[in-house]
Amino acid sequence: DIQLTQSPSFLSASVGDRVTITCRASQGISSYLAWYQQKPGKAPKLLIYAASTLQSGVPSRFSGSGSGTEFTLTISSLQPEDFATYYCQQLNSYPQYTFGQGTKLEIK
Amino acid sequence: EVQLVESGGGLVQPGGSLRLSCAASGFTFSSYDMHWVRQATGKGLEWVSAIGTAGDTYYPGSVKGRFTISRENAKNSLYLQMNSLRAGDTAVYYCARVSTTVVVRLGLVPYFDLWGRGTLVTVSS
Repeated sequence: DIQLTQSPSFLSASVGDRVTITCRASQGISSYLAWYQQKPGKAPKLLIYAASTLQSGVPSRFSGSGSGTEFTLTISSLQPEDFATYYCQQLNSYPQYTFGQGTKLEIK
Repeated sequence: EVQLVESGGGLVQPGGSLRLSCAASGFTFSSYDMHWVRQATGKGLEWVSAIGTAGDTYYPGSVKGRFTISRENAKNSLYLQMNSLRAGDTAVYYCARVSTTVVVRLGLVPYFDLWGRGTLVTVSS
């Protein structure tokens, strides 16, 4: 099974900050990686797929990069509505599409 | 409206059974692979099962032999039959749709673009 490890697990930041979350895969997954945002009591929301393609309707301050085993999600200028938990997901190993453990982004 | 709505969650004793449903609307349900994903309180997302458009099914080791995923395209519905439930199965269960797009140099790329709001399953005596 492919394991995904996100870092950090917790991140404290301020409105306007630039933040980066990293996701590392236990083996190469090309660019078959997605990022999701989840707010308390809500379902996950797709932000990025294919490692760097922004889902329709997602603000351009979100961006993704990487391939192989190392990936990043960057928020260029944090907005109040961005404080949430973020998950990466690998979609290389059909259909066992496993998730990272999550990164909780909190207000400093 | 394009949506997924789960139902069927509740309180069940260890060893008991429960059947979850996911009603799809606003899209051609039969054309999509569908998955169940669960989340224990305060924990991360865990893939639970998948079903392809041809009815092929897949499970992780943690639920294999206890859970059965199925679909009824005529009713635009997805199901998860859960047997021999354990305390560790306590979670919110989400159904999710898999969409695909062709991406240059990658080919067909899947992603979970539509999720239901979830249904809570509590396994406790």
